[in-house]
Amino acid sequence: GESVGLHLPTLSVQEGDNSIINCAYSNSASDYFIWYKQESGKGPQFIIDIRSNMDKRQGQRVTVLLNKTVKHLSLQIAATQPGDSAVYFCAEISANQAGTALIFGKGTTLSVSS
Amino acid sequence: EAQVTQNPRYLITVTGKKLTVTCSQNMNHEYMSWYRQDPGLGLRQIYYSMNVEVTDKGDVPEGYKVSRKEKRNFPLILESPSPNQTSLYFCASSSQGRRGYGYTFGSGTRLTVV
Repeated sequence: GESVGLHLPTLSVQEGDNSIINCAYSNSASDYFIWYKQESGKGPQFIIDIRSNMDKRQGQRVTVLLNKTVKHLSLQIAATQPGDSAVYFCAEISANQAGTALIFGKGTTLSVSS
Repeated sequence: EAQVTQNPRYLITVTGKKLTVTCSQNMNHEYMSWYRQDPGLGLRQIYYSMNVEVTDKGDVPEGYKVSRKEKRNFPLILESPSPNQTSLYFCASSSQGRRGYGYTFGSGTRLTVV
């Protein structure tokens, strides 16, 4: 079946380093992608999104890269801070999906140490 | 404050005892959705609603019911809960339909069925 997933379940970095969280998707018809951050005890929080007609989008300290050739999505966090520690999910939606909305990957837990 | 409110936050119940988890949003969003989150499986959609009186199944609808009598409320109903419905549940709403733009999630309801 078609799914969205993340390469690594966990990622540990030092404060100040740049973090890269990866996601692979299998549905070539997917045309919209979102990254969410989920802190312990809270619901997912929107970080940044990107449409399939783009290959890069930047936000505040975050950049999302989309490589449609290899169906790969990444989230880059610059100067990672302890407050960035959370689970990060990529999610996708396909233009040809009649029913369900976002399909979420399984998540990567980012741990930032001081 | 714009938010999605779920109640209760925590619930322990016994097998077969009907329960309802409420969800309310104050943003006048048309689209609302329920997800469950399980370790190793990520977030999976249960049901969604495009508007009042319009609901449809997501990926894992078995054992659940929903209703959308008013725009702001989207309760999740478990007519006869079973232990495999022990999970963390999230309600979400969006102003942009199923494509997920501007999704806002509630804080979650942790349900345990014994």
